Amino acid sequence: DAKTTQPPSMDCAEGRAANLPCNHSTISGNEYVYWYRQIHSQGPQYIIHGLKNNETNEMASLIITEDRKSSTLILPHATLRDTAVYYCIAPPHRDKVIFGPGTSLSVIP
Amino acid sequence: KAGVTQTPRYLIKTRGQQVTLSCSPISGHRSVSWYQQTPGQGLQFLFEYFSETQRNKGNFPGRFSGRQFSNSRSEMNVSTLELGDSALYLCASSLDWSGGGYTFGSGTRLTVV
Repeated sequence: DAKTTQPPSMDCAEGRAANLPCNHSTISGNEYVYWYRQIHSQGPQYIIHGLKNNETNEMASLIITEDRKSSTLILPHATLRDTAVYYCIAPPHRDKVIFGPGTSLSVIP
Repeated sequence: KAGVTQTPRYLIKTRGQQVTLSCSPISGHRSVSWYQQTPGQGLQFLFEYFSETQRNKGNFPGRFSGRQFSNSRSEMNVSTLELGDSALYLCASSLDWSGGGYTFGSGTRLTVV
């Protein structure tokens, strides 16, 4: 079970890039890294996932280190609507999907 | 394409009662997972169902149970409600076990008084 570690909170100025780190040093070779976010009182929303290569979609970019022990979620131009709790998970194949406490990102005007 | 639908959105129950929550997954999704979210404990995994079978289970007492129907709709039941069961209950669906590639519903807010 790949345990992930994230800082409990971060601030980011509106319009700047938000870089959210995640440590997953015990990840196995076939375990993907997933990122979700949860805006207050709503269900979590899938953002992006990756295995080895960097990934980008319309919401964010995911940078995974070559040794796969850590990753960074990048929101290129943070807005106030990006204020949320961000979860990084690396669930083992076909096992229960466990969420940690995540990082509470505050985007400051 | 309709998302994951959870009903009801809000519920108030009395201690000792039982409650049933419903989740309709995205059409074609066969895996349904349930989570409990409280301010103090965060997102806690309850169970996952796939093709009407419970595939994974979290560390909750036997008062928490669930089932999945042939159309992939799922229900969870909590018997003998306690004040501590007050929480947001979230359902998530995926095609198969997608390693976490879930779509979540908006949740059912249960308040036990």
